[in-house]
Amino acid sequence: DQQVKQNSPSLSVQEGRISILNCDYTNSMFDYFLWYKKYPAEGPTFLISISSIKDKNEDGRFTVFLNKSAKHLSLHIVPSQPGDSAVYFCAASGNNDMRFGAGTRLTVKP
Amino acid sequence: DTGVSQDPRHKITKRGQNVTFRCDPISEHNRLYWYRQTLGQGPEFLTYFQNEAQLEKSRLLSDRFSAERPKGSFSTLEIQRTEQGDSAMYLCASSGYRGLPFFGQGTRLTVV
Repeated sequence: DQQVKQNSPSLSVQEGRISILNCDYTNSMFDYFLWYKKYPAEGPTFLISISSIKDKNEDGRFTVFLNKSAKHLSLHIVPSQPGDSAVYFCAASGNNDMRFGAGTRLTVKP
Repeated sequence: DTGVSQDPRHKITKRGQNVTFRCDPISEHNRLYWYRQTLGQGPEFLTYFQNEAQLEKSRLLSDRFSAERPKGSFSTLEIQRTEQGDSAMYLCASSGYRGLPFFGQGTRLTVV
């Protein structure tokens, strides 16, 4: 059962433009959402998170938006940089459970 | 380095052999998680410890898999009678109570 879905397996953007990565979830018990970034041969690295009591959290170039009624969150990266090229995983947490999406491979072209 | 440490980083084993992986969490973290990641998929939850107690196990964790955290510090994940389908990246993460999970670099298992 895929409780967290990232429907775009890949995304390619030009350096300096905005990257928007999307994530949908089905379980309304999830109350904390995270984005992780993963480079090849490394473990996922925490990027940014948002609690269900908020609808936006910003950290430098990274902003996460949460739409609880739609059970949807998105990660915006602006401006995108070549070093942002990686696989991005969305995760949803609640009741000691954490589920991940399948990931979106972001490529930022110089 | 005070992050989550996993050993070994890579393991190649023959089908039918047993393998054991180790995870050393961040020292003050009382929660420890094991995940498995296969190509093109996100990490899949396997099991979770709070201190030395194993509180949850996924249905993915067949009888061939066992995890321990005997003293509430490091953890081991053992796979008995490995199969080719066990080939994956095995990830360990740790967190404080309701804290962010931080991941180790993973152990890549290849069963030949």
